[in-house]
Amino acid sequence: QQQVKQSPQSLIVQKGGISIINCAYENTAFDYFPWYQQFPGKGPALLIAIRPDVSEKKEGRFTISFNKSAKQFSLHIMDSQPGDSATYFCAALGNSGSRLTFGEGTQLTVNP
Amino acid sequence: GAVVSQHPSRVICKSGTSVKIECRSLDFQATTMFWYRQFPKQSLMLMATSNEGSKATYEQGVEKDKFLINHASLTLSTLTVTSAHPEDSSFYICSAPPARGGEKLFFGSGTQLSVL
Repeated sequence: QQQVKQSPQSLIVQKGGISIINCAYENTAFDYFPWYQQFPGKGPALLIAIRPDVSEKKEGRFTISFNKSAKQFSLHIMDSQPGDSATYFCAALGNSGSRLTFGEGTQLTVNP
Repeated sequence: GAVVSQHPSRVICKSGTSVKIECRSLDFQATTMFWYRQFPKQSLMLMATSNEGSKATYEQGVEKDKFLINHASLTLSTLTVTSAHPEDSSFYICSAPPARGGEKLFFGSGTQLSVL
């Protein structure tokens, strides 16, 4: 069964802190793992993505850590800012023609 | 980067009416378009996949006669919610990969449908 489980459901972080969101998957056929950021009333926007042949990818304040053996991956937001307050979705893609499987989402609030 | 333009951004309609949502790929050809539905504080649920020039593929549990999808050109896909009811109120989002395929999906800005 294609599933991606995401936690926590909600997260509150102080400005300057580190936000960590975790995801786990079951289907070993997944080979692309993007993270999306969504603001209220807007469509999701691609934030960062990783393939399973690397264990970490960093872009600015955003880092994905990937553990292939555990089938887990996580998003780390360093120096979190109030503007980062949004809903974050992890996702996974296999060889099914761009059909993404989304996690349940994490509502991040960064307090000033 | 590539842009998917979705209109309208918000629509309020009376129960029983039909509503059409358009998604256009502005600077690339989209042979495939994905339509999602999102309820408040929930994830995106794939409703259907439209393919240019052929019938859409609907996910299990999605009524194809209620959610009509047309993908008549390489740049336009439409979703029509027919005989809308209050339970159809939701946020509808389209997305498209580049015509050559690949992993990056470009999402529209979404349509908030409210059925009174």
